[in-house]
Amino acid sequence: SAVISQKPSRDICQRGTSLTIQCQVDSQVTMMFWYRQQPGQSLTLIATANQGSEATYESGFVIDKFPISRPNLTFSTLTVSNMSPEDSSIYLCSVGGVLEGTEAFFGQGTRLTVV
Amino acid sequence: QKEVEQDPGPLSVPEGAIVSLNCTYSNSAFQYFMWYRQYSRKGPELLMYTYSSGNKEDGRFTAQVDKSSKYISLFIRDSQPSDSATYLCAMGNTGNQFYFGTGTSLTVIP
Repeated sequence: SAVISQKPSRDICQRGTSLTIQCQVDSQVTMMFWYRQQPGQSLTLIATANQGSEATYESGFVIDKFPISRPNLTFSTLTVSNMSPEDSSIYLCSVGGVLEGTEAFFGQGTRLTVV
Repeated sequence: QKEVEQDPGPLSVPEGAIVSLNCTYSNSAFQYFMWYRQYSRKGPELLMYTYSSGNKEDGRFTAQVDKSSKYISLFIRDSQPSDSATYLCAMGNTGNQFYFGTGTSLTVIP
């Protein structure tokens, strides 16, 4: 299994500002995934981040709003830009999964509240 | 139609009861099926992982997959207060993303 450290664990942010979430994995992985978990809803995949290439975004998510960096095989960041209260959610990074033929493991999540 | 349907509960049972959690899905191509447990303010933790149909047992937990009915189940025997959490089902196929249920909230009462 992989150990994933995610920070911050929670934050309260002002409308219009940006927050960068960091995800560190204890082993090298090809793909890292970013999810959003809104209250009472399923986990929704935001994007898939490969090292050395642009992230691939799912329908409904765009790079300008959720820029992602993947500078090496153990680290990634997700930025939530120009935040509004609708962005209040839990954001999770994940490694593994069907694309690599293994189970998916998750970080602890970042609980974001936008006021 | 959602890819995965899961009853959100909440489900409340006495300690020692057998718990049955279920999900249905619409995509017959799904081959990988997972159950996650998520405690409050924590990320999802993988409980069970199965490929294709059949049963898998791990301690007090049993996962069942019925592909003909597009129905998966998680059974918890001798439930404990520490099992109180939200349980998420997830499924997918090679080369594609996972799809998650909304989660079922379970409370085991001592």
